[in-house]
Amino acid sequence: QVELQESGPGRVRPSETLSLTCSVSGGSISGFYWNWLRQSPGKGLEWIGYIYYTGSTTYNPSLKSRVTMSRDMSTNQFSLQLKSVTAADTAVYYCARGLVETGSPIWGQGTLVTVS
Amino acid sequence: QLTQSPSSLSASVGDRVTITCQTSQSVDNYLNWYQQKPGKAPKLLISDASNLEPGVPSRFGGSGSRTDFTFTISSLQPEDIATYYCQQYDNLPLTFGQGTQLDLK
Repeated sequence: QVELQESGPGRVRPSETLSLTCSVSGGSISGFYWNWLRQSPGKGLEWIGYIYYTGSTTYNPSLKSRVTMSRDMSTNQFSLQLKSVTAADTAVYYCARGLVETGSPIWGQGTLVTVS
Repeated sequence: QLTQSPSSLSASVGDRVTITCQTSQSVDNYLNWYQQKPGKAPKLLISDASNLEPGVPSRFGGSGSRTDFTFTISSLQPEDIATYYCQQYDNLPLTFGQGTQLDLK
């Protein structure tokens, strides 16, 4: 059974770079789309972007200038970097498999990142 | 853009609950419905507009295509209290509805 787990600092200072990693267990990164999403406190869900297992990326235009995603096939992990953060970037960040194609997506449990 | 309504809803146990999701352009049937409880990740209930995910109770259902979609709980149970979201994946960026917060009357 595939499971995803987000990890990274719970607090980031304004203007710095938020860095998160999603570890995939029970399956390989190969063959799938790997997404990052976020949910601000009391708000709805926002898709940040995805990285395909080949390394190609697509980002939400609203965040594109600040986002970088990467993956490491050897460790079965993929990562998110969001630069120049502000308080508006405070949110629960989720990683998820799939989402952009037919098939049941798999979500991580989410991790809260506070910018302060 | 997805317009989900209502934004909140109060209903009694046993009631039929209906939530709608309207898209600004056709998404064919590439629309999912999620349930989210506090502190948890969203859980997929309905995929591709009308397909019930394995293990999801049959009181949940979905219908629609192109721009107009409906999510239904045929007989509300206490454990269904949650926030529900629609999500389209026909066009990038992926987008979600604003959510419908469902509580017990």
